[in-house]
Amino acid sequence: EPEVTQTPSHQVTQMGQEVILRCVPISNHLYFYWYRQILGQKVEFLVSFYNNEISEKSEIFDDQFSVERPDGSNFTLKIRSTKLEDSAMYFCASRQDAQPQHFGDGTRLSIL
Amino acid sequence: KQEVTQIPAALSVPEGENLVLNCSFTDSAIYNLQWFRQDPGKGLTSLLLIQSSQREQTSGRLNASLDKSSGRSTLYIAASQPGDSATYLCAVTRGSNYQLIWGAGTKLIIKP
Repeated sequence: EPEVTQTPSHQVTQMGQEVILRCVPISNHLYFYWYRQILGQKVEFLVSFYNNEISEKSEIFDDQFSVERPDGSNFTLKIRSTKLEDSAMYFCASRQDAQPQHFGDGTRLSIL
Repeated sequence: KQEVTQIPAALSVPEGENLVLNCSFTDSAIYNLQWFRQDPGKGLTSLLLIQSSQREQTSGRLNASLDKSSGRSTLYIAASQPGDSATYLCAVTRGSNYQLIWGAGTKLIIKP
């Protein structure tokens, strides 16, 4: 069965550095999402992406964050100038029209 | 603003028991509701999806119901097993971009 693939599984970064989290959605999916889960808290929606542009973003998704689909397969989340509170599990998801979202295994981001 | 609440936050039962997990949401204008399983430090596994027009869905020992008008869903697990131990998350889909709004989860422990 096709899967959403996220890399790396664990990323450790110094505070203030930029980090890029990578996702390869399922190949025929058109809608892409990023969510995050701070340890012990709810999963939170960050951003949705369709037709090469952001379709919706939450108030969490400020100017520090950006997303990109640089080619036909990858979907990336960039966090500029990371802060301690950016430490979380980041999940990528994709879906086909009118179908449920399929999730990757997540990237654990640790900011030191 | 949509809020999703799950009760109880934690549940510990002996193996073999049938159990019910509860999820409530404040805005009945949802497209669908999903139940997920999350093992510690791991990703999100979709268990069941109920469309807003449906009343229930079944998969093996799992049965999920939806009462959209009252803003409630239940996940019924029959004949529980130690391997069912995990956190169970409920999420509703809102908005034209189908982003998921999540509950905090119920941590389930099945004692052998």
